[in-house]
Amino acid sequence: DVKVTQSSRYLVKRTGEKVFLECVQDMDHENMFWYRQDPGLGLRLIYFSYDVKMKEKGDIPEGYSVSREKKERFSLILESASTNQTSMYLCASSSLRTSGGQNTLRREQYFGPGTRLTVT
Amino acid sequence: AQTVTQSQPEMSVQEAETVTLSCTYDTSESDYYLFWYKQPPSRQMILVIRQEAYKQQNATENRFSVNFQKAAKSFSLKISDSQLGDAAMYFCAYRSASYGGSQGNLIFGKGTKLSVKP
Repeated sequence: DVKVTQSSRYLVKRTGEKVFLECVQDMDHENMFWYRQDPGLGLRLIYFSYDVKMKEKGDIPEGYSVSREKKERFSLILESASTNQTSMYLCASSSLRTSGGQNTLRREQYFGPGTRLTVT
Repeated sequence: AQTVTQSQPEMSVQEAETVTLSCTYDTSESDYYLFWYKQPPSRQMILVIRQEAYKQQNATENRFSVNFQKAAKSFSLKISDSQLGDAAMYFCAYRSASYGGSQGNLIFGKGTKLSVKP
């Protein structure tokens, strides 16, 4: 079974604090993603990474940065937390596997349990 | 750019009955994948069902089935014999069949909250 874990289920931080959200997957997946989920807005992609030390901006990267120093770990960083960053944060991973010379893609993403962050 | 629309913010169904959740999408691609994800209250998001666009046959997984209408760009989810454990947020998602960079990303609808009445 694929396992994606996130460092905290609930987090309360003060405005201006630096916040680290960590995500770890145990299936050797190449791709990792950070989303935020808000009522009525669905899931919005913040950043993604398809290799170690690689990162790409998603739809709403402002106010966030990421780090991927190891394949299994993808960190989301809020440099200076603000109240409008209060949200549910979801991490996900997916695989790109090569088999017999052809790319065998596992299309779906596997999600972590989420971190509910409150910034006061 | 691709978009995914779920026009029903909330739905409810009586236990043991059947409910259909709607999803439409917009794309100019001919090859892609569609998914339904389920997010129970305070629990992890999990994949319910997947459909490859090149397959004409509708995907089924036990009580879950889809009605995939490629020409109409419609991808509805039918839940038969609804159970209390089916209560959740359901998200429809699209993924290009291309890979590499952002082409591998999922595009989500805004979700439908399903309630199941005992």
